[in-house]
Amino acid sequence: AQTVTQSQPEMSVQEAETVTLSCTYDTSENNYYLFWYKQPPSRQMILVIRQEAYKQQNATENRFSVNFQKAAKSFSLKISDSQLGDTAMYFCAFMTPNYGQNFVFGPGTRLSVLP
Amino acid sequence: DVKVTQSSRYLVKRTGEKVFLECVQDMDHENMFWYRQDPGLGLRLIYFSYDVKMKEKGDIPEGYSVSREKKERFSLILESASTNQTSMYLCASSGPGQGKNTIYFGEGSWLTVV
Repeated sequence: AQTVTQSQPEMSVQEAETVTLSCTYDTSENNYYLFWYKQPPSRQMILVIRQEAYKQQNATENRFSVNFQKAAKSFSLKISDSQLGDTAMYFCAFMTPNYGQNFVFGPGTRLSVLP
Repeated sequence: DVKVTQSSRYLVKRTGEKVFLECVQDMDHENMFWYRQDPGLGLRLIYFSYDVKMKEKGDIPEGYSVSREKKERFSLILESASTNQTSMYLCASSGPGQGKNTIYFGEGSWLTVV
């Protein structure tokens, strides 16, 4: 079975500092996609960043970047220059592009950015 | 811009009522999903559909059914609502076309069963 693990249920960071959220996954597939989603108090799930497993280069989106270690099956999210608006629940997710595009989500990490 | 719309944001229903939650996507996505989100339990897949009139059970299908008569619309049905179905329900869609194999979510429907 494919699983996604986020070992940090809660984290906090001071405004303007950098924080890293951990994610590991388990799969026997070679072709897959990895995602980080943010869910603020409004509960809208927002895509933060996306990584294709066949691409060795780590994805970046402004202040958000990932450290993708395929052999270790690790996909961590780094948030630089943290802002109060980054306070949210963060979900790591994994998808295999077979029929139905099976998405598997981790349990989430609740991040609080402190002023 | 990608868009998944859930028609009802907040609903209050009585035990035993039949409840319809509607979801529409405008991205021509083949795949659509219904999740349930409860505190401490993360996202749990109820049903998904990979084509019109096709459906597959997810992790917690009991007490729910779905309908997909048109590609853009995916409905979740609670045949006889119960209090343990009080939750937030998230609809999502994905496809290889627009959005590049990424799952997009609606804003969620908060259902309270009394």
